[in-house]
Formats: sequence, C-alpha cells, structure tokens
Amino acid sequence: EADIYQTPRYLVIGTGKKITLECSQTMGHDKMYWYQQDPGMELHLIHYSYGVNSTEKGDLSSESTVSRIRTEHFPLTLESARPSHTSQYLCASSEWAGSGTEAFFGQGTRLTVV
Amino acid sequence: LAKTTQPISMDSYEGQEVNITCSHNNIATNDYITWYQQFPSQGPRFIIQGYKTKVTNEVASLFIPADRKSSTLSLPRVSLSDTAVYYCLVGNTGRRALTFGSGTRLQVQP
Repeated sequence: EADIYQTPRYLVIGTGKKITLECSQTMGHDKMYWYQQDPGMELHLIHYSYGVNSTEKGDLSSESTVSRIRTEHFPLTLESARPSHTSQYLCASSEWAGSGTEAFFGQGTRLTVV
Repeated sequence: LAKTTQPISMDSYEGQEVNITCSHNNIATNDYITWYQQFPSQGPRFIIQGYKTKVTNEVASLFIPADRKSSTLSLPRVSLSDTAVYYCLVGNTGRRALTFGSGTRLQVQP
C-alpha cells in the first residue's frame, strides 16, 4: 500500500477562489510530482521536485504554483481558480536513484471550478 | 527522458495473451524500462521494470532484446479487469522527471 495522500479527494469551488491541493508522503522520497489529467486523456506533468527547496515546471504549462519546504509535503496552489482549471490532479513520489525506480501515486483530487 | 512509441489501442478477449510493444530508440545506457497500468479515475500503478533480457513477476513479463531499443509487455490470460491504459517509460534517474506518453488503451472483451 502506497503511503502517499492527497486531500481533498473532490473539490467544487467558485471562480476566483484561491485553492491549495495537499499532497503528503511518508516514504522519505526525494522526488515528487504533480500531474493533470482530463478524463480519457493523457497524463501531463505540470510540476516536479527532486528535493527540498527544488521545484521545476513540467511539460504542460500551468498557472498553479508549488512549494517543497519539507521532504514529505508538496502542495499545489491556484491563486485564482477558473473553469479551465477543472481537471483531475494526481500527486506522485519516487526515490532518487541511479537506476530505475517505482513511482507511487495518490488517489487524486478531482477539481471542479464553477 | 527517452521518447517512447507504443500503439494507441489494442483489443483482446478474455483468456488470451496480450503483448504490447514499446519502441525507445534513444534509450541511454543506464536507463531502465518501466511499465505502468492506469484505470479510469485512478493514478498509474507500477507493473514491472527491467534493464535487459526477461523479467517476470506475478502480473506480467517484460521482454527486452539485446539492443534495448524496444520492449514488450506480456500479460498472460487477460481478464476484463485488465482493461486499462498501459504506459511504457524509460529513464527516471537522478533529476529527470517521470513523464508519461499517451499509453496503450487495452480493451478486453468477454
């Protein structure tokens, strides 16, 4: 069982609101990721971190921001939510390894902006 | 991350063996090949990983030829519950991020 948790699981919020999606892992993994995925569509990397105080943007441009102050915590923030932000957001973590490594995913947060 | 190419979709019937091939011509010397499975509304789940030759676990087998420019995920005797999207990834080492392509959508019919 993967020890990575996302909250909330579901969120419906009005346009213009600020939101933070939480992601925590207890495996001590250095690398953490945020993905955005619409139903039936590709999984797009929007942010990742390879350690504390490191954050990088992913392949898909996103208006969200992330922070990595603690190893176990990687929250994603939207300062002003819009309907175009409606999607599922998945958080994952993996070890820093010189060889292949397994990534573990959280349950996801399904965000709806009305 | 080395670019991968795999079929967009595949159909099969229950009880059949399914082989999904992934091309990764630019694989680096220290890259591993990893396969994930994703069900609707869930995050991907690790299935199997290998570096060369053959790897087998309780879920699948992974065949990697000597040149490592491709790999084949083999699912023995699929069931309806194997209907999912399967992703092939190459290289997740050091600072490199884990990125997914479009994957292969496997539909298993009764």
